[in-house]
Amino acid sequence: ETGVTQSPTHLIKTRGQQVTLRCSSQSGHNTVSWYQQALGQGPQFIFQYYREEENGRGNFPPRFSGLQFPNYSSELNVNALELDDSALYLCASSPEPLDEQFFGPGTRLTVL
Amino acid sequence: DQQVKQNSPSLSVQEGRISILNCDYTNSMFDYFLWYKKYPAEGPTFLISISSIKDKNEDGRFTVFLNKSAKHLSLHIVPSQPGDSAVYFCAASSGNTPLVFGKGTRLSVIA
Repeated sequence: ETGVTQSPTHLIKTRGQQVTLRCSSQSGHNTVSWYQQALGQGPQFIFQYYREEENGRGNFPPRFSGLQFPNYSSELNVNALELDDSALYLCASSPEPLDEQFFGPGTRLTVL
Repeated sequence: DQQVKQNSPSLSVQEGRISILNCDYTNSMFDYFLWYKKYPAEGPTFLISISSIKDKNEDGRFTVFLNKSAKHLSLHIVPSQPGDSAVYFCAASSGNTPLVFGKGTRLSVIA
């Protein structure tokens, strides 16, 4: 059974650019949640997707958007990147929205 | 406003001794609490959880204690092993709300 995978591992962008991060959920999981973990902080919930629909959103501006595909993989898109967007972005999948979450290794984004 | 607080950024413990990691919360609506462990370059992995209807949950070397009146929980690891060295995150939720994480405590177990 393949776990949660994320790509790319690392990414460097400049302020104002746009970025897309990808997540493949664990087999049999229809729910994906995205988190931002800034340096020295705990993961902070961005949003959750369940069966291709957004199923909850944290306190992040609209320039953070997402998608979930029919195979339940997911993308996180961030527009107009700011320096403070530099962080580790974690994806977690679960069989259902309230079930235990399994995290991927994360994508480390650096905005210069 | 931090709803879940882990006030100790780091902790060092001798191998074989007890590790105690602490977590405080402010939201009285939280009814489910979890501990995650994170190694470098890996995502957090679930360790143990406790519901607010209990005050203790044990799984092998790991025990979580919940004191609802003090809004405090702790994770005990006995005996501590070098492989336990990692960052430990406390997280909480209520009903169907998303997980709220603390900042984490880095545990170092010294052989």
